Parts: sequence; structure tokens; C-alpha cells
Amino acid sequence: QQQVKQSPQSLIVQKGGISIINCAYENTAFDYFPWYQQFPGKGPALLIAIRPDVSEKKEGRFTISFNKSAKQFSLHIMDSQPGDSATYFCAASQSYNTDKLIFGTGTRLQVFP
Amino acid sequence: NAGVTQTPKFRVLKTGQSMTLLCAQDMNHEYMYWYRQDPGMGLRLIHYSVGEGTTAKGEVPDGYNVSRLKKQNFLLGLESAAPSQTSVYFCASSYSRGRADTGELFFGEGSRLTVL
Repeated sequence: QQQVKQSPQSLIVQKGGISIINCAYENTAFDYFPWYQQFPGKGPALLIAIRPDVSEKKEGRFTISFNKSAKQFSLHIMDSQPGDSATYFCAASQSYNTDKLIFGTGTRLQVFP
Repeated sequence: NAGVTQTPKFRVLKTGQSMTLLCAQDMNHEYMYWYRQDPGMGLRLIHYSVGEGTTAKGEVPDGYNVSRLKKQNFLLGLESAAPSQTSVYFCASSYSRGRADTGELFFGEGSRLTVL
């Protein structure tokens, strides 16, 4: 019940295309859903986060869509660029409890020109 | 500000050897964490600390020990390294927990450990 399932494991997108990464969770007590972006040789960094009181959050080309009834959330990257090539991790926790943050298994995104 | 700094960045050990990874943060964060990252398994929490002098077990604590003698430092020790501990280790820190503006984790650049 503590798992966060992330798919796909890897994703190849053409420049200008839309990248979509999906995550699903079981624990209905989760109420904080961040996405972290990790470039090769670097540590993960917070990209965008959402709480379940909204169904969508947009920051530039990055959008989180949240479906509370289905217990799913997804990251959409519009107009994908080669600079977006990285590994993306979804995560979930209850009440911003960073010591209880559960990460997905990661998606390696490659954007080709 | 350097943020979160990990040393060493790379290390090769033989089975049974011991070593310590050092994490230092200059953001005055209360919380510090050690994660390991393995292919297809995401980030798994090893141990964490909620303040100077405190430590707690995470998801995968076996085979590791930690200490937080100073607020800015968090040490991860392997007393008898095993090949299963071959991984990339990340240290992270955060202000605290339970608040929207403090829920962000700040990660170091990682330490790649190979155990032969």
C-alpha cells in the first residue's frame, strides 16, 4: 500500500512532442505529490508538486494532472526539448512528511532533435 | 552557497572493508537523509535525521550506520561492505516537515560506490 508505481520505465520523444509519465498510488492518505528531475551525474531536484485539492497544476511547459478517484497522477511535458532529457521521479507522501516520501522507480526521458 | 556536498564522489571497496560517506549542508536544514539509487528501483531511504544528535531508520537500513554529531553534517557508514551495497548514494536535506514551503528535498550530486 506504500508503493508508488511509475510508468513507462523509459520514453523516447521527438523534439516538440508531448512527453507523458504516469504514476499510481494505493495509500489514500497521500496528499502531496512532487515530481523530481535528475540530470546525468547530478542529484534529483524538485520540478513541480501538486496537492489533491486541485486537478491540474501548470508551470511553464510542465503540467501535473491529478485524478483522485483513480489514485493516479501524471506529468506532461509540452513541446519537449533535448534539454528535458533526464530521469523523472514521481513521489508521494502524507502532509509534506519528507521522511515518509515514497519515490516511484523513475522514467528515463530522451528527447531527440 | 554550496548546498549539499557529498564526499567522496567515487569509491571502490573490497568485500568486508569499511568506509564512511560524508554529507555536509550549508542551508541550516534540520532534516537530513541518505538514499540509495539502484536501476529500476528508484530512490530508497536508508536512514534519516530530524536534528542534531538524532537518527532514524528508513526503508533499507540494514548494513548501514549513521551519525549526526553536528547539524550540518550527516555521515553514512558501512562497517563490512557487501556487493549488494554497490549503488549510488544520495544525501539530501530539508527545512522540516509538514509545511508546503519546507517539503522540498535538496540533494547532493551523489557518491558512486562499487563493492567488489
